[in-house]
Amino acid sequence: AQSVTQLDSHVSVSEGTPVLLRCNYSSSYSPSLFWYVQHPNKGLQLLLKYTSAATLVKGINGFEAEFKKSETSFHLTKPSAHMSDAAEYFCVVSERSGGGADGLTFGKGTHLIIQP
Amino acid sequence: DGGITQSPKYLFRKEGQNVTLSCEQNLNHDAMYWYRQDPGQGLRLIYYSQIVNDFQKGDIAEGYSVSREKKESFPLTVTSAQKNPTAFYLCASSPGQAASGSETQYFGPGTRLLVL
Repeated sequence: AQSVTQLDSHVSVSEGTPVLLRCNYSSSYSPSLFWYVQHPNKGLQLLLKYTSAATLVKGINGFEAEFKKSETSFHLTKPSAHMSDAAEYFCVVSERSGGGADGLTFGKGTHLIIQP
Repeated sequence: DGGITQSPKYLFRKEGQNVTLSCEQNLNHDAMYWYRQDPGQGLRLIYYSQIVNDFQKGDIAEGYSVSREKKESFPLTVTSAQKNPTAFYLCASSPGQAASGSETQYFGPGTRLLVL
């Protein structure tokens, strides 16, 4: 069975400062991990994904995430926040165990607030 | 322009009424999905289809029905049996389990359903 925990429901940072959104997962298999972003009343946009290649994954809009198997973590970071980064962020884990719907499990989301 | 379209953007349902949400994709993806999003709960899977003329129940299928008569279309009907239908509904598609990177899901812009 797989699960994903986003450790913060809300994160507030000042514009120009670093962003850290935390995600821990559990998985019985070698997982794929994703971060999606959702702006208000919009669909989800893929930021980046990890699929057992390089552990440091670079995504769009300056975001990156590091897969740490020993810590079962996949935290999302950005060196300098921009006002346009304000949105909801979802961490997602996928097990390719043959289960239905590609076995995606979504975290409950972290709301990122950017202070001017 | 490739992508996933959902219509309408907003939908109002009266008591006892069935309503249908549209989802169309021109990405030539085999698999399609419907999710329900409630505040603070992330996304929950309603139904999914991995191939035309076949679909499976997700975690919260009660009160919903789907069809998959064409590869590009996966409409969702919210029936009168769904007692709490107010939510944001997201449709997604993925290439399918056989394709490389197939588990990445691409999302439409969503439909917000409100009960009158």
